[in-house]
Amino acid sequence: NAGVMQNPRHLVRRRGQEARLRCSPMKGHSHVYWYRQLPEEGLKFMVYLQKENIIDESGMPKERFSAEFPKEGPSILRIQQVVRGDSAAYFCASSPSVSSGANVLTFGAGSRLTVL
Amino acid sequence: GESVGLHLPTLSVQEGDNSIINCAYSNSASDYFIWYKQESGKGPQFIIDIRSNMDKRQGQRVTVLLNKTVKHLSLQIAATQPGDSAVYFCAESMDTGRRALTFGSGTRLQVQP
Repeated sequence: NAGVMQNPRHLVRRRGQEARLRCSPMKGHSHVYWYRQLPEEGLKFMVYLQKENIIDESGMPKERFSAEFPKEGPSILRIQQVVRGDSAAYFCASSPSVSSGANVLTFGAGSRLTVL
Repeated sequence: GESVGLHLPTLSVQEGDNSIINCAYSNSASDYFIWYKQESGKGPQFIIDIRSNMDKRQGQRVTVLLNKTVKHLSLQIAATQPGDSAVYFCAESMDTGRRALTFGSGTRLQVQP
């Protein structure tokens, strides 16, 4: 059981470039969440997805940010035209179907984006 | 509101002492709460959870207390060890977790040997 896998662990981009962060949920998990964390701060919710469906994107910036969770393959968080303020750690979490009740999220190790 | 650019509050304890980490939540509709531990450079790790129909739940060396009247949550760690040093976050959700978790701002626990 490999847990939640995120890659790359570290990504450096120049302003204006695109960043793509990938997340493979735990085996058997069908729900994916993306959070952003600035140094010395808590995790801020960005988006919640199921396969081929965005459930809640209330935390996503209106521009430049998008997320998908295709039928096959990992979930992707895409940031276009990155700016220095996008520098942060981006964490992915997954959970099984929430129909069973309490929703414990299992987190990956994070992807640390640095924008030069 | 959200704190931006502020350092995390820090709790410093001696090894072997008990630790109490507090969390205030704002959403009275929240009915599910979790404590996570985050070590430096790692993702958050689940510690213990509690539903709103309970006021106390115990795990191994950890206890979570929930006071819905004042919207307060606490995590008690017994016989704190150096390996407990980390940042601790409380998180809340509605509909028994059928929605995404909202995280608090965190507390850094430093255990002195």
